[in-house]
Amino acid sequence: EVQLVESGGDLVQPGGSLRLSCVASGFTFNNYWMHWVRQAPGKGLVWVSRISTDGGRTNYADSVKGRFTISRDNAKNTLYLQMNSLRADDTAVYYCASEIAAAGNFDYWGQGTLVTVSS
Amino acid sequence: SYELTQPPSVSVSPGQTARITCSGDQLGNKYACWYQQKPGQSPVMVIYQDNKRPSGIPERFSGSNSGRATLTISGTQAIDEADYYCQAWDSSTAFFGGGTKLTVL
Repeated sequence: EVQLVESGGDLVQPGGSLRLSCVASGFTFNNYWMHWVRQAPGKGLVWVSRISTDGGRTNYADSVKGRFTISRDNAKNTLYLQMNSLRADDTAVYYCASEIAAAGNFDYWGQGTLVTVSS
Repeated sequence: SYELTQPPSVSVSPGQTARITCSGDQLGNKYACWYQQKPGQSPVMVIYQDNKRPSGIPERFSGSNSGRATLTISGTQAIDEADYYCQAWDSSTAFFGGGTKLTVL
């Protein structure tokens, strides 16, 4: 059974940093691209970033480019999102998602972790 | 920046057919995907690559894309009440529509 478990969400002040983690199980992690998607309270889904199987290729939404860094540790089956220079509009539930059966689509999602940016 | 446009809300009676549309520039030349999200839950993919249904998704869910993507739910049930989001890729960036709240009443 595929499982994605996020952690690391917290209350952080504007300008602060946070690192999210997503531990994967139930599939061969290093064979698949992985993503982060966020959802502000009461709002829609917004894609944040993706990373290739070996970590050599990454893409970011314009809203986080230069502030967020996606990475992965295939030995630990773990996906990360380093978030710096956080702003109030980064407040959201952050989901990790995989594209296992359907390339380019998000076929499995974690339960999400809440990041709140506020003073 | 690429935009996908969905109606904010759609209402349907139980047993009837619900159709949710998604519009975007040159969307017919891209693959569209659809996600269902119920309150307090993570999204679930219900259609990918325009019209493919993942295992475990009921046959009443179908999709099409001929310039405008459409998610069709035939014989809509109360359990289908949820938010639905379309999604497509443009220039190595994934975009979601704003979401459509499906009400079954």
